[in-house]
Amino acid sequence: SQQGEEDPQALSIQEGENATMNCSYKTSINNLQWYRQNSGRGLVHLILIRSNEREKHSGRLRVTLDTSKKSSSLLITASRAADTASYFCATAYNFGNEKLTFGTGTRLTIIP
Amino acid sequence: EAQVTQNPRYLITVTGKKLTVTCSQNMNHEYMSWYRQDPGLGLRQIYYSMNVEVTDKGDVPEGYKVSRKEKRNFPLILESPSPNQTSLYFCASSLGRRNAKETQYFGPGTRLLVL
Repeated sequence: SQQGEEDPQALSIQEGENATMNCSYKTSINNLQWYRQNSGRGLVHLILIRSNEREKHSGRLRVTLDTSKKSSSLLITASRAADTASYFCATAYNFGNEKLTFGTGTRLTIIP
Repeated sequence: EAQVTQNPRYLITVTGKKLTVTCSQNMNHEYMSWYRQDPGLGLRQIYYSMNVEVTDKGDVPEGYKVSRKEKRNFPLILESPSPNQTSLYFCASSLGRRNAKETQYFGPGTRLLVL
């Protein structure tokens, strides 16, 4: 399977702490994206990082990409209760089907 | 408001009774896609469409049909639903530009239970 894999599967931290999630993938990518899903709802796009980029920021979010290791990380700083959600990485491969391939997600719980 | 809408949001049906889940977007996007989400399996693509009258199979197309007669609509059809199609379904769209490797906008989801 070319599916990306998030690590850890679940993460619980205290409000105010930083949360880090990782994503690994298998083949050459065009870009990698992170999405958030609140329980049972639609996915919301967070950040897109292209294969020639190494780091990207958006508010309290920081995404890094290491194409040599085929991995990415999502850092959420100063977490809030509202950050409780599942986070998915999605990879757009350079070749093959015109689609995004989603991982199985990291379930993040912020403890107030 | 730019959005992807799906209807119905919840559906309980019985095996073999044909059903259609509608999807509509108001962003003039060329690319649309259907996914199903199951515990432990993440999102898997069912079908996608690059533009009007252009559709193709995703990873798990068996038991599903789609059509794209208009740019804004992309209905998902289950001709003879079975219990293994019980799932949470999402429609998504993106600008397109001849490929789908861009930000996708998701609908709110349709939770289907097939008895």
